[in-house]
Amino acid sequence: DTAVSQTPKYLVTQMGNDKSIKCEQNLGHDTMYWYKQDSKKFLKIMFSYNNKELIINETVPNRFSPKSPDKAHLNLHINSLELGDSAVYFCASSQDNAGSSYEQYFGPGTRLTVT
Amino acid sequence: KNEVEQSPQNLTAQEGEFITINCSYSVGISALHWLQQHPGGGIVSLFMLSSGKKKHGRLIATINIQEKHSSLHITASHPRDSAVYICAALPNFGNEKLTFGTGTRLTIIP
Repeated sequence: DTAVSQTPKYLVTQMGNDKSIKCEQNLGHDTMYWYKQDSKKFLKIMFSYNNKELIINETVPNRFSPKSPDKAHLNLHINSLELGDSAVYFCASSQDNAGSSYEQYFGPGTRLTVT
Repeated sequence: KNEVEQSPQNLTAQEGEFITINCSYSVGISALHWLQQHPGGGIVSLFMLSSGKKKHGRLIATINIQEKHSSLHITASHPRDSAVYICAALPNFGNEKLTFGTGTRLTIIP
């Protein structure tokens, strides 16, 4: 069983489109995250949710909107996609909202390419 | 300047060599993570430590809080250890968010 899963794995789309990436964890964790990894492989946190509540919201354009329907799911919706949004997006989860005091489990990543 | 710096950026070694990857950070932290990113892109958590030393198989992670420094060691390196190794620090102030280093790309040659 996959602990943290993301769909789709690859996403190619045109500028201006709206797209969503889904994430699900079956670990029973309380906290979930979205990270962005740029072309230089640098990881940066975007959002964190604990029990469906937003606890970290980094400076990302408001075209990015996370949605957590329940604590096992954290989806990322992106409006009006731009070329600079091309990156690999990783979902992760951890046991507690002091998330970094616990191991984080990462999904396989979604490679988004905006043309 | 990034709050978390890693060295070297790239490391190539022969199979069997002892490997050391370094991580320095400029702020007080409550925990430090070591992650491994495989060539296929997946990320795996290797260690989370706040003091001392941890060992898992051929991997050893150490941290010196006073010196703001952590090292990841690999003994008897193997080509399957080839990956990008990333350290990430949790500052002990503010909200709970990891700050990542830029990664070290390790290549082990058979």
